[in-house]
Amino acid sequence: EAQVTQNPRYLITVTGKKLTVTCSQNMNHEYMSWYRQDPGLGLRQIYYSMNVEVTDKGDVPEGYKVSRKEKRNFPLILESPSPNQTSLYFCASSLAGEAGLYEQYFGPGTRLTVT
Amino acid sequence: QQQVKQSPQSLIVQKGGISIINCAYENTAFDYFPWYQQFPGKGPALLIAIRPDVSEKKEGRFTISFNKSAKQFSLHIMDSQPGDSATYFCAAKNYYSGAGSYQLTFGKGTKLSVIP
Repeated sequence: EAQVTQNPRYLITVTGKKLTVTCSQNMNHEYMSWYRQDPGLGLRQIYYSMNVEVTDKGDVPEGYKVSRKEKRNFPLILESPSPNQTSLYFCASSLAGEAGLYEQYFGPGTRLTVT
Repeated sequence: QQQVKQSPQSLIVQKGGISIINCAYENTAFDYFPWYQQFPGKGPALLIAIRPDVSEKKEGRFTISFNKSAKQFSLHIMDSQPGDSATYFCAAKNYYSGAGSYQLTFGKGTKLSVIP
């Protein structure tokens, strides 16, 4: 089954404790992206990657890191989480290229709470 | 420049009625306009999409109307059903040819409730 998986689905942590949210896709998609969803603010892009070893900032990259060492994986790293990073996070993937971006497949989401 | 403004924030429609959600944009470089549907506890999923060279696209009960000159597009849900109750996001894509990359910008979402 074609899918994007995220782990963990739920996470409660404390300020400053480094964490990683994993994302994996089995569709051989070049493009992967991380979004955060907050009430009243919709979906905002954090980082995206056009291919292995190619990453770029989205609209709200501060406080986050990503890496793309393998095509299927795109982990989101919070080196020192803060309460304002409490949010619902989505990973997405799609075919790359101007003609290829017709559908992004989203993962099920990771609900992060930073106390 | 990168914003996509979506309205209304929430919408209540009776079963069988027409749901209309509107979006507006400023960036004329946007070249693809998808709508995503999100049910509670799930990730968004592509519902329907349109390119700016087409004024309307219909898929079943869902229709996108696109007005290039006004820089507006809207989603119409005909014969709305309780199962359509979800959050709907409009989005717009632009392509950075120099960087060989693209970005998808989302509206803030509309929570639709269809009551029996």
